[in-house]
Order: sequence, then structure tokens, then C-alpha cells
Amino acid sequence: KNEVEQSPQNLTAQEGEFITINCSYSVGISALHWLQQHPGGGIVSLFMLSSGKKKHGRLIATINIQEKHSSLHITASHPRDSAVYICAILLQGGSEKLVFGKGTKLTVNP
Amino acid sequence: KAGVTQTPRYLIKTRGQQVTLSCSPISGHRSVSWYQQTPGQGLQFLFEYFSETQRNKGNFPGRFSGRQFSNSRSEMNVSTLELGDSALYLCASSLGPDRSAFFGQGTRLTVV
Repeated sequence: KNEVEQSPQNLTAQEGEFITINCSYSVGISALHWLQQHPGGGIVSLFMLSSGKKKHGRLIATINIQEKHSSLHITASHPRDSAVYICAILLQGGSEKLVFGKGTKLTVNP
Repeated sequence: KAGVTQTPRYLIKTRGQQVTLSCSPISGHRSVSWYQQTPGQGLQFLFEYFSETQRNKGNFPGRFSGRQFSNSRSEMNVSTLELGDSALYLCASSLGPDRSAFFGQGTRLTVV
């Protein structure tokens, strides 16, 4: 069983829709990252969370440490949001070792 | 401030050859981590360096090695290349543990 599970694997939405991507993990973490990867490979770190909620523009990330669960929300989705969104956990212990989910491929149609 | 720079961006090698990939972290970042991304396995951790010391290593064979220099630049080396080593290799830098990671654009290695 993967330490990090994401759902859904694929998501297709219409422009303007509210999007939610979920991430569950099974081990103790010191932080959780949400990453965005566009075709071509480059990865952008969207958020790093260790508790609560963070907001940046139309993106909101939440984490519940007790339930070992995080969500990434996109409000008023736009075709340029189409990408793969990856959840990654930073294991406890002071290392930089990230463990990744398989990613959620989001397609937003105009 | 320049981002994380990986060179080369694309590389084609033959089975049995070796390859060296380079990563220049963001200025001031002392932690560099390397990852392999393949369609089948997704993103997997290779190793992590902090102040020239390897602090963590993923589950990869000894053909995969790396090092970090005093200026924090890092290299990874893969010897005796196999077809299955074809992947996108990403490096990320950060100020240290529990700090945001910044990724490079990756090096796409194709082994033929």
C-alpha cells in the first residue's frame, strides 16, 4: 500500500467549476507539499503545510493532521489550471525525503 | 533570484554508458534532493545532500550515486545505464529541513 494516496486519479471539469483533490497518508509527517506539474515536466511547489489552511489566489490547501488528510481546492477553475497535481509528504525526522502520491491529472475545458 | 538550474535538459545515452547530471540550487540553499520520475513508478526519491553530506538515500541500486560540492551544486551519476533508467530526473533545493522545496525543470534522460 502506498504511503500517500491521492484521489481522483483523473478529473475533468468545466471552466468555472470548484475543484477538490484529496490526499491521504499513513505515516507521521513533518509537512505536506502540494505540487503542480505541467506537460514538459517542470514542477512548481504550490503549498507547504504542517497545519491548518493556506490560500494563494484561487488555490486553497487544508490539512487535518489527526485524520492524516489534506485537500487542494481550486475555485473558479480555468483551462490554464490543467496540470498534474501531486501531493508529497515530508517524513518526520528532519530529512528532506519527500514521498509522493501518484498525482491527479486535471483537465479544465473552456 | 535565479531558480534551480538543471543541466542538460535532454540527454540520449546508450545502454552500458554512464551519465552525469548537474543541479545548481537557488543561491543560499544548502539542501539538494534528487528524484526520478517514470510513467510506471511516478516520482521517487533518490538521495538528499546537505552541506556536502549525503543524509538520505532512496531505494535505488549502487549504480546511482551523487555528490555535493562546497558551493552546494550537486551532481548525480548513473553508471552502466539500463533501458529502465530512462526517466525525468528532478532536483529540488531548499534552505533546510521543513522548508519549501524549489524544483528544477528536470533532465529528461533517454537510454537506447
